Amino acid sequence: GQQLNQSPQSMFIQEGEDVSMNCTSSSIFNTWLWYKQDPGEGPVLLIALYKAGELTSNGRLTAQFGITRKDSFLNISASIPSDVGIYFCAGQRAAGNMLTFGGGTRLMVKP
Amino acid sequence: EAGVAQSPRYKIIEKRQSVAFWCNPISGHATLYWYQQILGQGPKLLIQFQNNGVVDDSQLPKDRFSAERLKGVDSTLKIQPAKLEDSAVYLCASVASGGSPDTQYFGPGTRLTVL
Repeated sequence: GQQLNQSPQSMFIQEGEDVSMNCTSSSIFNTWLWYKQDPGEGPVLLIALYKAGELTSNGRLTAQFGITRKDSFLNISASIPSDVGIYFCAGQRAAGNMLTFGGGTRLMVKP
Repeated sequence: EAGVAQSPRYKIIEKRQSVAFWCNPISGHATLYWYQQILGQGPKLLIQFQNNGVVDDSQLPKDRFSAERLKGVDSTLKIQPAKLEDSAVYLCASVASGGSPDTQYFGPGTRLTVL
């Protein structure tokens, strides 16, 4: 089953609002990734985090690698309608290892 | 650069029938993955190929699922016979030679419905 717990499972926000979502695990991961999946498409990588405590931005997106290595956070500022989709976190225990995905956060944005 | 290609995009079959999915990775990508994504869940790895060899198939239900990548380029995933719980999107992803799984590119997936 899933080893990464994502929350919230879904969010319905107003355009322009900021969004926060997180991913937690009972075990350590050495790489954290955040993906976005649009309907009918495969996941697309948004941000990759490789170091505990790292804070990385990609436009309006900011993600953090938790100090304990057991969690990660994704923030989206000033949401727009095209932010709609499902956001997945994924963890990798060691370089070359398989990815473990969370259950996803479904984001809906009201114009 | 063309992305990962998958076909068909949609397939509807009845339980106990057989089905096959095809994936053509990005040109030159040595590593290929097949994932199963059940509705409302994240992708789950089924099998990983490095060129034409299997690296990890520990989560592949081998009693009914099989996959091959005979020439180290495109790959086929087969289910025989299908069960209701196999209804899912089957995603293919690839990584360049020497790349890590965190640099993989996903195809659009094949949505399978088993009735």
